[in-house]
Amino acid sequence: DAGITQSPRHKVTETGTPVTLRCHQTENHRYMYWYRQDPGHGLRLIHYSYGVKDTDKGEVSDGYSVSRSKTEDFLLTLESATSSQTSVYFCAIRQALQETQYFGPGTRLLVL
Amino acid sequence: DAKTTQPNSMESNEEEPVHLPCNHSTISGTDYIHWYRQLPSQGPEYVIHGLTSNVNNRMASLAIAEDRKSSTLILHRATLRDAAVYYCILRDSDGNKLVFGAGTILRVKS
Repeated sequence: DAGITQSPRHKVTETGTPVTLRCHQTENHRYMYWYRQDPGHGLRLIHYSYGVKDTDKGEVSDGYSVSRSKTEDFLLTLESATSSQTSVYFCAIRQALQETQYFGPGTRLLVL
Repeated sequence: DAKTTQPNSMESNEEEPVHLPCNHSTISGTDYIHWYRQLPSQGPEYVIHGLTSNVNNRMASLAIAEDRKSSTLILHRATLRDAAVYYCILRDSDGNKLVFGAGTILRVKS
């Protein structure tokens, strides 16, 4: 268990509503990642962070923003949720100079 | 980003070895080869990684071709708990990101 939690684990929301997902780690790892996974696809990177206040875009960043104000928390925000953002969202962490990413349990988001 | 190609699905019998292939013909000299697996309703789980030499750990072995254009994940004795989607991934050149493909669905029969 890599000490990574995600909240909420399940959420149902309506189109146009802002949504924030939280990833929390107790490992003090430098890198944190947000992925989404849709049926029939592998994971796709949304955003990642390489330190407090240091973030960068992944391959599917449109419609998402992130913030990391402290090492242990990485927030993913959907400013105005759309049905196309219905997905399972995974957070991951990685220690600097290490190869392995450790994944959280996921958040299932349904946008109606 | 360099790409990987894996079979969509494979089937194995319990207690038998499983060889999961991966092609990565555009791999660069500094790309690490990673394998992750995802059990149903869970997040991905690290399995193994390597650069040039074959690697072994408690979960599996990784055999890397001499030209590095392909690799094989070996599960020595498949169990029902090994049924999962297995992803072969090349770590991108800046070292920060993993680019997942669709993976191989492994089914294990009892």
